[in-house]
Parts: sequence; C-alpha cells; structure tokens
Amino acid sequence: EIVLTQSPATLSLSPGERATLSCRASQSISSYLAWYQQKPGQAPRLLIYDASNRATGIPARFSGSGSGTDFTLTISSLEPEDFAVYYCQQRSNWPLTFGQGTRLEIK
Amino acid sequence: EVQLVESGGGLVQPGGSLRLSCAASGFTFSSYSMNWVRQAPGRGLEWVSYINSLSSNIHYADSVKGRFTISRDNAKNSLYLQMNSLRDEDTAVYYCARRTGGADDYWGQGTLVTVSS
Repeated sequence: EIVLTQSPATLSLSPGERATLSCRASQSISSYLAWYQQKPGQAPRLLIYDASNRATGIPARFSGSGSGTDFTLTISSLEPEDFAVYYCQQRSNWPLTFGQGTRLEIK
Repeated sequence: EVQLVESGGGLVQPGGSLRLSCAASGFTFSSYSMNWVRQAPGRGLEWVSYINSLSSNIHYADSVKGRFTISRDNAKNSLYLQMNSLRDEDTAVYYCARRTGGADDYWGQGTLVTVSS
C-alpha cells in the first residue's frame, strides 16, 4: 500500500498570504496525485488532478506541482473561504489512498 | 447538473448489515466509474471500494474485503454498497463519488452509518 504523508498537519496563515502544502508518497506514483478541499460538514471538493491540472471551476490561485514522490499544493494568496482541510490522494496503485490531511487555519 | 444522493445509512448493531444506495443524475451514469469513500467522525478520508462502468473491474480496501460488496444498476442510475458483518470501526459518513480519469470529481453529501450496540 502506498502511504501518503502530508505536512504540516496544521498551517496557520493570514488572508493574503501564500500557502504551501506538501504530500510525500512512500514510493513513486508518477503524476497520479489529486488534491481535495473539505470544509466542515461538507463533502470533499476536487481541486487538482494528475498533480498539476486544475479541476473545472477552481480558481487560478490554486496550483499543484510535483512528480514521483514529492508534491505541492500552492495557494498563491489566501482568501477567507480557503481555510479548510486539504487531502491528497494517489491513484497509481490499488488500494487508492489518501493522506491524513493538512488543516489550514486562520492565524 | 451532476447530483449524487446517498441513502440507507442509520444505526445498526455490530454484526448487522446495511445497504447503501447512491442515486445519480445529471450525467450518463453508465459511462463512469464510481467510488465509495468513508470518513469516521473527526478523522480523514478512507477509500472503500471502486467499480468501473461495466462492473467488470472491482476493488476493495483490505479493511472491508469479504464483508462489503459494491454493485451498480446502470438502468436505474444507481450505485450500491452492501455492508455485512459490520463493526464499530465501520462507523462513518459514507460518500459516493464519480471517478473521472484521475480523480473523484463529484461527491454526494454522504450518509451516516453508526455501528453500535
């Protein structure tokens, strides 16, 4: 099973700042990584697929990068609605696995 | 508009069974693979099961293999998860999600399954 490790567990930033979230895979997953955003009481929302492709309707301030084992989700300038939990997910091998999540909180 | 609506959750005793349903609308259901993903209270996301459009390729997480069965009825635009031999650790919100290429692009609102005596 491929283990995804997200860091940091919690990130405290202010609106307007840049956020950098990391996801590291236990073995190479090529570019088969997605990022999701989840707010309290809501279902997850797809942000990025295949490491760097923005999903439909996702603002340009969200970007993804990386390949192999190291991946990054960057939010260029935080908006109030961006404070949430973010998960990465790999599809390289079965079983599909998620990272444990990064909580992005308002400083 | 793509919509996924889960139903069938509730309170069940350990060892019991439950069948979840996911009603799909707003897209050609028969053309898409589907996933079930769960989230225990206060915890992260856990993938449960996958089924392709023709039901010819199915996968399960080790934690549910042999106890859960995924299925679909393309004529009814519906996805199912039969859950048997339920355990306390199966308590979670269960989401169905549409799988498009590399990711789950649409999710339902979830249905809560509580396993407790």
